[in-house]
Amino acid sequence: GIQVEQSPPDLILQEGANSTLRCNFSDSVNNLQWFHQNPWGQLINLFYIPSGTKQNGRLSATTVATERYSLLYISSSQTTDSGVYFCAVNSGNTPLVFGKGTRLSVIA
Amino acid sequence: SQTIHQWPATLVQPVGSPLSLECTVEGTSNPNLYWYRQAAGRGLQLLFYSVGIGQISSEVPQNLSASRPQDRQFILSSKKLLLSDSGFYLCASRDRRGANVLTFGAGSRLTVL
Repeated sequence: GIQVEQSPPDLILQEGANSTLRCNFSDSVNNLQWFHQNPWGQLINLFYIPSGTKQNGRLSATTVATERYSLLYISSSQTTDSGVYFCAVNSGNTPLVFGKGTRLSVIA
Repeated sequence: SQTIHQWPATLVQPVGSPLSLECTVEGTSNPNLYWYRQAAGRGLQLLFYSVGIGQISSEVPQNLSASRPQDRQFILSSKKLLLSDSGFYLCASRDRRGANVLTFGAGSRLTVL
């Protein structure tokens, strides 16, 4: 099956800093989503981005499907950005396969 | 858009007791439904998924089972809980009509003592 690798596994940022999270996947996909898991465990969908670039406020994401990777950019980070960021992919009607996540800690 | 309801939110159960976690979905019809578990650490493990009423696919062998008695209802059960069943259980739904987006419920935290 598809393998998903996320990097870095852990990241500590000073408030106001920028960061880039990476997601590599091993096969062609027709779905890629980025999620943020908040401290209460809720998984929030950030982007549905099988290809191209999208932006939502301080967050943006780019997926280069031909090279099998996606990047999540966080600019001017805030303490509320802390949590775990997951990348998940699938092809066809198969279930999403999740990476192990990047744990982000933003300190004031 | 979809809304996923899960209950109970937290549960403490003794070893050997039964389990029933419920998930209902609003705002869609004929969705694909999923149960994930997140144990210590952060990985999400897919337990079951369903593409329709009565259709259940199991991803890992375990003492848990799932049922889908109605289109927008997904239930996770066990007859006898093990300590290793402790974890955070997440129900998710994918609306097949529109964008291929997976939406999660708020989760159910199970502690088996």
